[in-house]
Amino acid sequence: EGQLVESGGGLVQPGESLRLSCAASGFTFSNSWMNWVRQAPGKGLEWLANVNQHGTVINYVDSVKGRFTISRDNSQNSLYLQMNSLRAEDSAVYYCATDKAYSTFDLWGRGTLVTVSS
Amino acid sequence: QSALTQPRSVSGSPGQSVTISCTGTSNNVGRYNYVSWYQQYPGRAPKLLIFDVNKRPSGVPDRFSGSKSGNTASLTIAGLQAEDEADYYCCSYAVTFGTGTQVTVL
Repeated sequence: EGQLVESGGGLVQPGESLRLSCAASGFTFSNSWMNWVRQAPGKGLEWLANVNQHGTVINYVDSVKGRFTISRDNSQNSLYLQMNSLRAEDSAVYYCATDKAYSTFDLWGRGTLVTVSS
Repeated sequence: QSALTQPRSVSGSPGQSVTISCTGTSNNVGRYNYVSWYQQYPGRAPKLLIFDVNKRPSGVPDRFSGSKSGNTASLTIAGLQAEDEADYYCCSYAVTFGTGTQVTVL
C-alpha cells in the first residue's frame, strides 16, 4: 500500500525560506502526478501546486506563484516544495498528495506543520 | 480560483440521512464530471470518499454516495453513524476545493 511522508516543517520568521520534502513508497512514484495542499489552522483545504510525472508540467495557485517552487526527483521517490519569502498567512499544515486523475487526490501524507511567526 | 460553496455544518441523528451540497459554477462543477469528496477527522489527513461524482474507492462503505445536478454536487450519507462525525470537502477539476462542512451526529 502506498505511503507519503512529509518532512521539513517548522517555525520560521517572516521573510525566511523553508524546503519541504515528501517521501513516497509502496507505489510507482514516477507514474503519478503529485500535489501540495495546505490547511491553515481551523480553515479549509487549499491546493497549492502540482507537477506531472516527468516534472515538465507545473501549475501553481496564484497566491504562491513566484514564491514557492515544486519539484520532484523520481530517482529518490521524492517531492519537494521550496518556499521563499514566507508570510504569516503561509502558516499551515502542508500535505503532499497523489492525483489519480482530474483532481482526484487518492493518497495523502500526514502533513508537516509550518509556522511563520516573529 | 474561488472555492466551491458548502454549508458550514449539517447534523443528523444516528440512522438518518444527511446531504451536503457543493455549489460551483459552469466553469468547474457544471462543466466536468470530476467531483471528488474527502472526509477529514480532526488532526488527520483527508481521505478520498467519492470520485468522478459518484464512484467509491475500494473500502468506502456504500452509505456514502455522490451526485450532481447542474453546478451543484452533493454527498449523501445514509444511515448516519457516530464515526461519520467529521469534516467533509468537495473538490472539482481543476483543483478547486469546497469550503468544507462539519457533520455532527446528534
